[in-house]
Amino acid sequence: DAGITQSPRYKITETGRQVTLMCHQTWSHSYMFWYRQDLGHGLRLIYYSAAADITDKGEVPDGYVVSRSKTENFPLTLESATRSQTSVYFCASQRDTQYFGPGTRLTVL
Amino acid sequence: QKEVEQDPGPLSVPEGAIVSLNCTYSNSAFQYFMWYRQYSRKGPELLMYTYSSGNKEDGRFTAQVDKSSKYISLFIRDSQPSDSATYLCAMSAIRGYQKVTFGTGTKLQVIP
Repeated sequence: DAGITQSPRYKITETGRQVTLMCHQTWSHSYMFWYRQDLGHGLRLIYYSAAADITDKGEVPDGYVVSRSKTENFPLTLESATRSQTSVYFCASQRDTQYFGPGTRLTVL
Repeated sequence: QKEVEQDPGPLSVPEGAIVSLNCTYSNSAFQYFMWYRQYSRKGPELLMYTYSSGNKEDGRFTAQVDKSSKYISLFIRDSQPSDSATYLCAMSAIRGYQKVTFGTGTKLQVIP
């Protein structure tokens, strides 16, 4: 099915571990985004990408790494997870409007 | 002070009521205004997108922007239980989604 998918949907990890969240879209949209959503803060942009091999920082990039070797994939890596990175993470892609994935609920113990 | 303020609710209304959801903002550079709907455990979906001041209507939904007061509203007429969701306002000074500031969302419950 066409759309935007995220995996895993739920993840529990420990502080200091590396975690990679996956995002895949089937529309071949150029722009892709990673957000985190926290109570009291709303959605905040972590990183975005205008095309394969082009990425840029958003509002809260510290502690995160992204890559985009293929147009359809935009993984987000937490190199050394911290408790403050416990959140719900949303990936989005854009043509005329943004389309959001279902989210990954990450808990860092 | 946050750039965008939104009452978190929850807001409970009976089916058929007119719902008014609001956001205030402090950045006078904002020109693009959006409303998203987010169902529980789902990603947000764009409902309305407006530029500058004025009203925009789409079915039962009306978005209103008052730049002089730095105040935006979303009205839902004839509210339905399926409208129960969290509504996020969002705004930007430039076209595109790289610099969008979101409100924290208002949770709406429409009671049958």
